[in-house]
Amino acid sequence: DAGVIQSPRHEVTEMGQEVTLRCKPISGHNSLFWYRQTMMRGLELLIYFNNNVPIDDSGMPEDRFSAKMPNASFSTLKIQPSEPRDSAVYFCASSFHLEQYFGPGTRLTVT
Amino acid sequence: AQSVTQLDSHVSVSEGTPVLLRCNYSSSYSPSLFWYVQHPNKGLQLLLKYTSAATLVKGINGFEAEFKKSETSFHLTKPSAHMSDAAEYFCVVSDHSDSWGKFQFGAGTQVVVTP
Repeated sequence: DAGVIQSPRHEVTEMGQEVTLRCKPISGHNSLFWYRQTMMRGLELLIYFNNNVPIDDSGMPEDRFSAKMPNASFSTLKIQPSEPRDSAVYFCASSFHLEQYFGPGTRLTVT
Repeated sequence: AQSVTQLDSHVSVSEGTPVLLRCNYSSSYSPSLFWYVQHPNKGLQLLLKYTSAATLVKGINGFEAEFKKSETSFHLTKPSAHMSDAAEYFCVVSDHSDSWGKFQFGAGTQVVVTP
């Protein structure tokens, strides 16, 4: 298996632009998690899905952030409009039972 | 409620010497515990997990951890450090309270290995 796939790996955008991050979980996994990692705040859980249904989005920082999982093999995290403070590494992870498997991350820079 | 405390933010070891990374947890339920490693500019990789079976857990790359309920600890050890062990290590607890396996991450321990 290729593992969790994220795209793009790097994204540089200007403040106010829309950003879409993509994730393909490991085939057969039924839970998907979006995290954000910064030096100041460490790893933060933004939202997670089980069987494509959002279970807990309490970590989403504000309405500018939204996430979807239209099917078992694809999820998106969208930021609209983006702000410089959104600059971070965004990780997607998937799981079937307990342990989570992480993708390589998307490094987002908002100027 | 669940929480995890990594007692050292930075650990420096010489190559070939033992490594000890300390982790204490708090959980209202019987927890599952994990250690993940993150190399620079990489994603998190699972090192090992404890899920209520044997209390001494062996993982990849020569790492192991011991679950001690009486001490609420899950310390990570390796007998002999290698240069490739330089990375950040995260201790994680999941107490299944929400049925979905939500993780609580520690703040991380940065490991430096000197020649």
